[in-house]
Amino acid sequence: QKEVEQNSGPLSVPEGAIASLNCTYSDRGSQSFFWYRQYSGKSPELIMFIYSNGDKEDGRFTAQLNKASQYVSLLIRDSQPSDSATYLCAGPGPQGSTLGRLYFGRGTQLTVWP
Amino acid sequence: SQTIHQWPATLVQPVGSPLSLECTVEGTSNPNLYWYRQAAGRGLQLLFYSVGIGQISSEVPQNLSASRPQDRQFILSSKKLLLSDSGFYLCAWGVETQYFGPGTRLLVL
Repeated sequence: QKEVEQNSGPLSVPEGAIASLNCTYSDRGSQSFFWYRQYSGKSPELIMFIYSNGDKEDGRFTAQLNKASQYVSLLIRDSQPSDSATYLCAGPGPQGSTLGRLYFGRGTQLTVWP
Repeated sequence: SQTIHQWPATLVQPVGSPLSLECTVEGTSNPNLYWYRQAAGRGLQLLFYSVGIGQISSEVPQNLSASRPQDRQFILSSKKLLLSDSGFYLCAWGVETQYFGPGTRLLVL
């Protein structure tokens, strides 16, 4: 089993809708998770991180962490065409992993159509 | 603020030729540094990481190598490129959080 998995996608939503992106992880001890956005042809940029169980909101973005079920979600409210990109989930991996080493999911491609 | 640079931005190289990609970071000291490769339609593959000068860890055995001659400089090299080395090469810095450079797009023909 991979440390971080993103199995959904591609995802297509209309403008103004809520886009929901999901990620699961294998190590119960993992404490922190990151969401990156990657536009086509560009490098990934960090948009959210979450350390605590529950929700973290930043503008139109909400990250959710459920440690009991070992999943992380990213909700994008009022989706805009400019949100169309690939979203990568990343986590720290199993105990004993090098500090700072992140494990990335394969990404979910999101398209927001006008 | 911290800035990460990579060059060149794009590169077209023949099979069997050498490679040198450079990454530098400004505005921070003793960062962890990472090299990733992203092949077309694929996920991020960690190639090398470094926690300090001269300290390199390899994730995947291949014909690539990395060096860290200075605190904020990370170099990815190859003596002989293969077709399969084509991809988008990304340098990143950070400890708990990673921040990516703009990347180098490499095409091996």
